[in-house]
Parts: sequence; structure tokens; C-alpha cells
Amino acid sequence: QVQLQESGPGLVKPSQTLSLICTVSGDSINSVNYYWSWIRQSAGKGLEWIGRIYSSGSGSTNYNPSFRSRVTMSVDTSKNQFSLRLSSVTAADTAIYYCASLNRHDAFDLWGQGTMVTVSS
Amino acid sequence: DIQMTQSPSSLSASIGDRVTITCRASQDIRTCLNWYQQRPGKVPELLVIAASVLLGGVPTRFSATGSGTHFTLTIDNLQPEDLASYYCQQCLTTPLTFGGGTKVGI
Repeated sequence: QVQLQESGPGLVKPSQTLSLICTVSGDSINSVNYYWSWIRQSAGKGLEWIGRIYSSGSGSTNYNPSFRSRVTMSVDTSKNQFSLRLSSVTAADTAIYYCASLNRHDAFDLWGQGTMVTVSS
Repeated sequence: DIQMTQSPSSLSASIGDRVTITCRASQDIRTCLNWYQQRPGKVPELLVIAASVLLGGVPTRFSATGSGTHFTLTIDNLQPEDLASYYCQQCLTTPLTFGGGTKVGI
């Protein structure tokens, strides 16, 4: 059974870079044709899709334009992990961040437990 | 971006009631619509894909219909464990977008 687990700092200072890792267990991260995604949930904006990365081959990405050039996602197949970097954070980036798998219906069928990230000095 | 609008934003119902949640898309998304349930303090869980296909294990008191721009999620015979927020999500184009959620209170 595949499971996802987010990890990373719970507190980030304004203007710094938020970095999170999602560890995939129970299967190889590139054993199936999954897109891996990051989603966040804040009180003010509900559920917000950040972007996705393809697990196989080129590791192609699609990002939500709302995040402009602040977001970068990558996959580390040797560690069975994928990651999120969000630069120049502000208080508006305070949220619960989830990693999730995206199936062929572009539905998020498996979620991590989520990690709370607070942006504050 | 495709905007997803849910109504109502919250509702209160009694055990055994029938509850209907509406999700509207700002443009035609065919049947590319998924529904999620998020119980208090928990992670969202996928309930429905392709507008009307319930995932295995979802109680049959749940049903979903719709296409184009208008979609509904119905819960018949509301149960205490249905206390949750429900979200729709369009899957036609990126950025993938969610509705604002409907909180169902018992």
C-alpha cells in the first residue's frame, strides 16, 4: 500500500524559501505513471493546487501560474522522494501543505497527512 | 483559470435527511469533475471521479451527477460520519482548481 509523508520546517521567515519533501513508501516512485502533486490549504483560500511533476522519464512539471516563478518541484528516485521549493514566502503562504498522487483522471487519490507551515519572523 | 463555485458554503441537517451540494464551473468542463470529503482534522479523501463514478468503499447513500457547468453531490439518509466538508475539483485543464467547499453540519 503506497503511503506519502511530508517533512520539512514548520516555521519559515518571510522572504525565505519554503522547502518540503514528500517520501513515498510502499512502491517505487516511478514504478507507475503517476503525477505527484503539492496542494495547500489555508483558511483564506481553501484548497489550492501548487503544481505537479511526472514521476518517470523527463520529470516534466506543470505549475499553477499563481505562484509565477516562485515554485520548483523535483523528484529524487534514489530516495523515493519528491520535493517542493517555494521562494520569497510571505504570511500569505502560511498553510497546511499536502503532497498527493494524481491519477489518470487527474484526481488526487492518495494524500499525505499534511504539514503545517507558518511564515513568520 | 476555471473558477469552481460551490453552494451552499455550509448547511445544517438532521440524521436521515437528504443533502444536496452544488458545484458550478465557470466554463464547460464536460464530466471532468471530482469530489472530495474532508472530515474535521483529517485529510481530504477522494469520493467521486468523472462527475458520477463513486470510488469503491463509498457508501451508496452518496450519488453524484452533472456535466458541463453544473454538478451535484447528494447524500441520502445523512449519517453522523458524513459530518465533513465537501470539495469539488475540475480536472479539465491546469491549473487544477477546487471549489470553496461546503461544510455539512449535523
